[in-house]
Amino acid sequence: EPEVTQTPSHQVTQMGQEVILRCVPISNHLYFYWYRQILGQKVEFLVSFYNNEISEKSEIFDDQFSVERPDGSNFTLKIRSTKLEDSAMYFCASTVRGHYEKLFFGSGTQLSVL
Amino acid sequence: DAKTTQPPSMDCAEGRAANLPCNHSTISGNEYVYWYRQIHSQGPQYIIHGLKNNETNEMASLIITEDRKSSTLILPHATLRDTAVYYCIVRSGNTPLVFGKGTRLSVIA
Repeated sequence: EPEVTQTPSHQVTQMGQEVILRCVPISNHLYFYWYRQILGQKVEFLVSFYNNEISEKSEIFDDQFSVERPDGSNFTLKIRSTKLEDSAMYFCASTVRGHYEKLFFGSGTQLSVL
Repeated sequence: DAKTTQPPSMDCAEGRAANLPCNHSTISGNEYVYWYRQIHSQGPQYIIHGLKNNETNEMASLIITEDRKSSTLILPHATLRDTAVYYCIVRSGNTPLVFGKGTRLSVIA
C-alpha cells in the first residue's frame, strides 16, 4: 500500500530556532493535513491544505506556523520560532479528493525543543 | 471536543473477538462514524467508517444501532498486533478529524 513519508523521524532544536518538517504525501492525493500529539495527550488537528491554500486551521496553528507545498510533491510545516511547548510528534496526512474519509497518516516526526 | 464516549481501556484474549463500544448520542443525520487506531505512537490508521448500515472490510466490522446513537467495532480474531488505541470519531463532510482519548485495547496471549 502507498505510504505518506515524513522526514526526519526525530528532530532536536533549540528554543527560538526555526524548524521545517517535511512530508511526501501519496502521489495522487490532493488534500493534506498536519496533526500533532504531545506525549500522553490526544492527536490534535493543526491545518488542512488544498489547492495551494489553507482550507482550515485550528487555534493551535498561530502565526508561528506555516505550511507550503513548494514543488508539487513535498508538503512542509514550518515553525518560525520554536517554544518548549512545541515538543510533540507531528503527523502529516493526505487523502484523495472525494475519498476524504480515509486519511493516510505518516509515521511522524518527533520534535524535541530544548 | 470529541462527540463520542469510549471506555478508556479494554482487554481481549488473543484469537477472540474484540468488541469496542462507542456512544455518540448527539450524532446528526449527515455525520458518519469513523474508526481509526494508533499503534504505539505511530500515525493513526484508518479502519472503517459507516453512516447507518453495518459495514465490514478486511480489518473489522462496524455495527451501528438503528437510532445511530451508538456503535461497536468488532475485530473478529484479535492478535497481539491489534494492541492499540482505538478512536471512534463522528464527522460530516470534509471537516477535520477530531480525536478523543479513545480506548486502549490490550490483546493478551
